[in-house]
Amino acid sequence: DAGITQSPRHKVTETGTPVTLRCHQTENHRYMYWYRQDPGHGLRLIHYSYGVKDTDKGEVSDGYSVSRSKTEDFLLTLESATSSQTSVYFCAIARASGRAGEQYFGPGTRLTVT
Amino acid sequence: DQQVKQNSPSLSVQEGRISILNCDYTNSMFDYFLWYKKYPAEGPTFLISISSIKDKNEDGRFTVFLNKSAKHLSLHIVPSQPGDSAVYFCAEFGYSGGSNYKLTFGKGTLLTVNP
Repeated sequence: DAGITQSPRHKVTETGTPVTLRCHQTENHRYMYWYRQDPGHGLRLIHYSYGVKDTDKGEVSDGYSVSRSKTEDFLLTLESATSSQTSVYFCAIARASGRAGEQYFGPGTRLTVT
Repeated sequence: DQQVKQNSPSLSVQEGRISILNCDYTNSMFDYFLWYKKYPAEGPTFLISISSIKDKNEDGRFTVFLNKSAKHLSLHIVPSQPGDSAVYFCAEFGYSGGSNYKLTFGKGTLLTVNP
């Protein structure tokens, strides 16, 4: 257990509304990631963070923003939710950049945009 | 263009037999390949990895083979057990710019082990 929680676990929202998903870790790890999982696409990286206030874009970042004001929290915001953002969102941490890709994932948030 | 390809969306095997999951890649500039396992309604969990300088890594019932000339890797599970039924993702770990690295995942293969 890497001490990762995600909230909310489930959310239904309407098109055009802003949505914020929260990832919280208890182990003070530097690297945090947001992925989305969709049928036929596997896991795709949205944004990642390599420290407080240090973030960068992944391969599917359009329509998403992130913030990391504290080591333990990494927030993902959908600025104006669209139906194409209906997905399962996973947060992950890496215990050290040198651990060669071993990431530990949270339980996921299932988001439905109607 | 997809960098990491898992061409078989599903695989079904009998309990006790070998499961072989395959992955092809295009980028030769990587540090590690990893396999993750995912059960429904849970996050993925790390299973096993292999570095670019090796051609085999073994951990209990799980062995990963890397064929760099063919740009192919495979995960062998022997013997397969019903609890191994899950989606398996292969992932490439490589440089993404600055001092950062990232994982690039394949689309996954659903393994079903029948009792």
